[in-house]
Amino acid sequence: NAGVTQTPKFQVLKTGQSMTLQCAQDMNHEYMSWYRQDPGMGLRLIHYSVGAGITDQGEVPNGYNVSRSTTEDFPLRLLSAAPSQTSVYFCASSGPTNYGTDYGYTFGSGTRLTVV
Amino acid sequence: AQSVSQHNHHVILSEAASLELGCNYSYGGTVNLFWYVQYPGQHLQLLLKYFSGDPLVKGIKGFEAEFIKSKFSFNLRKPSVQWSDTAEYFCAVNNYGQNFVFGPGTRLSVLP
Repeated sequence: NAGVTQTPKFQVLKTGQSMTLQCAQDMNHEYMSWYRQDPGMGLRLIHYSVGAGITDQGEVPNGYNVSRSTTEDFPLRLLSAAPSQTSVYFCASSGPTNYGTDYGYTFGSGTRLTVV
Repeated sequence: AQSVSQHNHHVILSEAASLELGCNYSYGGTVNLFWYVQYPGQHLQLLLKYFSGDPLVKGIKGFEAEFIKSKFSFNLRKPSVQWSDTAEYFCAVNNYGQNFVFGPGTRLSVLP
């Protein structure tokens, strides 16, 4: 089925470890983004991309890196995990342009990350 | 900077009760408005959106929302809720060329 695929669904990390959350979409969407969801705070934008080779920071980028080498993939890297990064992470995409305005976002199913 | 507030953190209703969830945003220019729903354990799904035109927007599953520009509001309504409407609801805004800003969410619990 077409959509946004996130892996893994669950992950436990130790403080200081690094890892990559994967996000792939097969809808040829230009816009992709990463959000973290924390109780009472809604969704906060970490990083986003308006096309292959183009990325930019969102509201809470510290501690995370992204790259966009292809239209399909937008991985999120945690460089040195901290307990404050315990959260649920959602990847979202939209096409063709306008940051999701025209069509809204298609969300992935999320990754629940716990850092101990 | 844009911001979105939602009036209630948690709403508890009985089946068949009417629902209204408040959403206010702060932005002086033209905005596009959205409501998303997140069922337990699932990802966010689009309920409805407003770009322009008729300020009363109808979405999926019997939901509707009314845009009141003078009040910077975009409240979500449903005449009669069902147990299956139990979920978290997020209001979001953006304007062209900007990212979405999401509200903190309202958790709705519908008692059978």
